[in-house]
Amino acid sequence: ETGVTQTPRHLVMGMTNKKSLKCEQHLGHNAMYWYKQSAKKPLELMFVYNFKEQTENNSVPSRFSPECPNSSHLFLHLHTLQPEDSALYLCASSPTASSLYEQYFGPGTRLTVT
Amino acid sequence: AQTVTQSQPEMSVQEAETVTLSCTYDTSESDYYLFWYKQPPSRQMILVIRQEAYKQQNATENRFSVNFQKAAKSFSLKISDSQLGDAAMYFCAYSRTQGGSEKLVFGKGTKLTVNP
Repeated sequence: ETGVTQTPRHLVMGMTNKKSLKCEQHLGHNAMYWYKQSAKKPLELMFVYNFKEQTENNSVPSRFSPECPNSSHLFLHLHTLQPEDSALYLCASSPTASSLYEQYFGPGTRLTVT
Repeated sequence: AQTVTQSQPEMSVQEAETVTLSCTYDTSESDYYLFWYKQPPSRQMILVIRQEAYKQQNATENRFSVNFQKAAKSFSLKISDSQLGDAAMYFCAYSRTQGGSEKLVFGKGTKLTVNP
């Protein structure tokens, strides 16, 4: 596989569930990102990892917990979510966090919280 | 606040015609990148074109070109000879530096419909 992949593509979960989103990049990049995309709103940056270290937490509620075990993989652990957390969650990668001239996005996970 | 404004929530164009999508932004930085991203329905977002703010010359990529007006903080996208495959959400964005790393600031997007 090439590029940035995300699994699952669709997820429905109840407010008391715990689930995880996975992102994998095959581009040899060192920076990875989580974005939230809601209808009629700009993309919201959630987290940034650069060389496996978290460099940005954009005031994201603690019910979202990121994990970056290596430069190729990024997870977003979800627990006790709210209905307003329903959105498309996009993963992206770039060569480094200071090289946004080339950022690649995954297809996203469509999350529905019931 | 540093923002990106796309004033056209929706646009439509006839196949083979030309369409221009508007974008204005607000930044106090002097050096930055500007981008147009395309997100087709149920498909991933891809970069269409980028512009370095210090370059006067407008970027072009085949049928896609930009009109970059730095003083006016305007960055419009022109699509020539529109094709059905151009139908998508188009997002304007710029990169800003904060805390030693760069971040993309996006607009709300413009939905482009291409009519056959």
